[in-house]
Formats: sequence, structure tokens, C-alpha cells
Amino acid sequence: ILNVEQSPQSLHVQEGDSTNFTCSFPSSNFYALHWYRWETAKSPEALFVMTLNGDEKKKGRISATLNTKEGYSYLYIKGSQPEDSATYLCAFEEGASGTYKYIFGTGTRLKVLA
Amino acid sequence: DTEVTQTPKHLVMGMTNKKSLKCEQHMGHRAMYWYKQKAKKPPELMFVYSYEKLSINESVPSRFSPECPNSSLLNLHLHALQPEDSALYLCASSQDREAFFGQGTRLTVV
Repeated sequence: ILNVEQSPQSLHVQEGDSTNFTCSFPSSNFYALHWYRWETAKSPEALFVMTLNGDEKKKGRISATLNTKEGYSYLYIKGSQPEDSATYLCAFEEGASGTYKYIFGTGTRLKVLA
Repeated sequence: DTEVTQTPKHLVMGMTNKKSLKCEQHMGHRAMYWYKQKAKKPPELMFVYSYEKLSINESVPSRFSPECPNSSLLNLHLHALQPEDSALYLCASSQDREAFFGQGTRLTVV
């Protein structure tokens, strides 16, 4: 059974604080690591697809890093805003191209307080 | 159009009913997925269709029956469900490693 774990489970931060959370995944048979942002009653929104060890990606105030050798990825949010409140999910994609199999973590529920 | 559309948004059904969930995308994606998500748990993969053929079935009970009539449509036929099947059912499609999700169908089995 493949385990993808995220920590912390939930997080409350003040507006303007920077924050980060972790996704841990199997270090073998890696193909890609996906980050999603999911607001209640909306579709999960793709943030990043990361494939190479050492990858760093950035989208506005959100960035992510990837370490495939030790099996973890960090998501950072700089200067959190109330609209960043959401559940952040990571998904591990295993194996060779074409498996299409995404295994999701448990999510980190972020609440940014104004 | 970068949307995955799921209908209905909400569904209440009895244990003897037969119903279907529908999913549609017009992005030309060749992989389409059904996920089941229970409260406070991650989405769990149920089925994957690749080029309109079922490529992954994650040991899902036969009371869930997927169908891919064409490259834009994915259905999930439901029959004789149990109350524990109540969940959010998410559809997704993907191409080139990027997956797009629908908003889900909130299913309640009574």
C-alpha cells in the first residue's frame, strides 16, 4: 500500500504570516508529484506538477520544492491572505508514463485569519 | 473551455434505486477518472479510462459500473448502493500530467 502523508493536518495563521507544509511520499517508483488547492464546494485546482529532484516551482506567493530521493515536497505560502484558506492536497504519481494513477495525501487544511 | 462538468451536483437515492453520475470534458483529454471522497479523507481512485478503455479498476464493488461512451463523456452507473457509499464523487480528466477536476456529485444513499 502506497502512503502519501501530509502535515500538519490543519493550520491557522494570521494574515501576513508565511507558512509551509509537507507532503511525504514513497521514494521509489516516482513519476511526478502534484499539488492542488481545494476550496469547499469547488473543484480542486492544480497548482504545480513536479517531476525532477530539486525542482522548485513558483506561482505568485506560493512556491514548492521537491526531493525525490528522500520522498518529500514542501509547499510555501508567503504573506498569507484570507483567500488562501483552503485544503492543500498533494498527489503522488507512480511508475512510468501512462499509469495515470494519482494517490492523494490527506491534505492540510489552512485557515488564514484576518 | 478548461472545465470538467459533473451532473448532478447533489443526489439522494434509495438502496434499491438505479442512478447515473455524468462527467463531461471538452479539452480533448484522453484519460478520465472517478474518485470517491469521504469526509476528511483524501480522494480515493476508483476507475481510470485511457483512450475510452478501462485501464484501472481499484477493486471497486460491482454496484458501481463505469462507462465511457466517447472521449468526452464518463458515466458512473449506481445500483443497489449502501448507506456507506454516501460520499463526494469526483471526476477528473488529464493530459500531459495536468489533471482537471469537476466539482463533484454529493451522493447520499438512504
